[in-house]
Amino acid sequence: GENVEQHPSTLSVQEGDSAVIKCTYSDSASNYFPWYKQELGKRPQLIIDIRSNVGEKKDQRIAVTLNKTAKHFSLHITETQPEDSAVYFCAASTNDRDDKIIFGKGTRLHILP
Amino acid sequence: ETGVTQTPRHLVMGMTNKKSLKCEQHLGHNAMYWYKQSAKKPLELMFVYNFKEQTENNSVPSRFSPECPNSSHLFLHLHTLQPEDSALYLCASSPLSGGAGTQYFGPGTRLTVL
Repeated sequence: GENVEQHPSTLSVQEGDSAVIKCTYSDSASNYFPWYKQELGKRPQLIIDIRSNVGEKKDQRIAVTLNKTAKHFSLHITETQPEDSAVYFCAASTNDRDDKIIFGKGTRLHILP
Repeated sequence: ETGVTQTPRHLVMGMTNKKSLKCEQHLGHNAMYWYKQSAKKPLELMFVYNFKEQTENNSVPSRFSPECPNSSHLFLHLHTLQPEDSALYLCASSPLSGGAGTQYFGPGTRLTVL
């Protein structure tokens, strides 16, 4: 079955700098890769996703890249702000009938003043 | 924010109690999920229901019993729990009938087992 590895588990960056979180997956059939953000005491919420037919997607300060050959994808946050502090989860899914979504273990991002 | 609701938000129970967690989604989705979130395992999938049929039981102990009477409601019945079952229980739904798609999470129920 699918296995998703996420690194690092904790990341501290200075406000204004960039943050990068990386994930690898094992099932080459996976074709949908969402990222979720969970602020303290709140529910996880989708922030960006990418499908296997594209290599990069950007939404303002957030971007995701996908390398299908190497089976890894990354989240990039530029010009980080205090409100970016949260736990980020990557996930992989095949979107077929018997599909299930597999989450990484999460990255706790601290934005330092 | 109100698309997926969960009740109660907080629950404290003894090991001999029986209680139920409720989840309701108002999004017209076909799939619903139960997750356990703890410090050790940040997002642990427990059960998946697709069109009211259970399609996944991720080796969850029988003291957790799910029920899905229709595609909008999901319950998790709890009995004879252990202290290590204390965690945040998250419900989620997704719109795609054939796959997990995008997960919409509820606010969770914070469970404490004494």
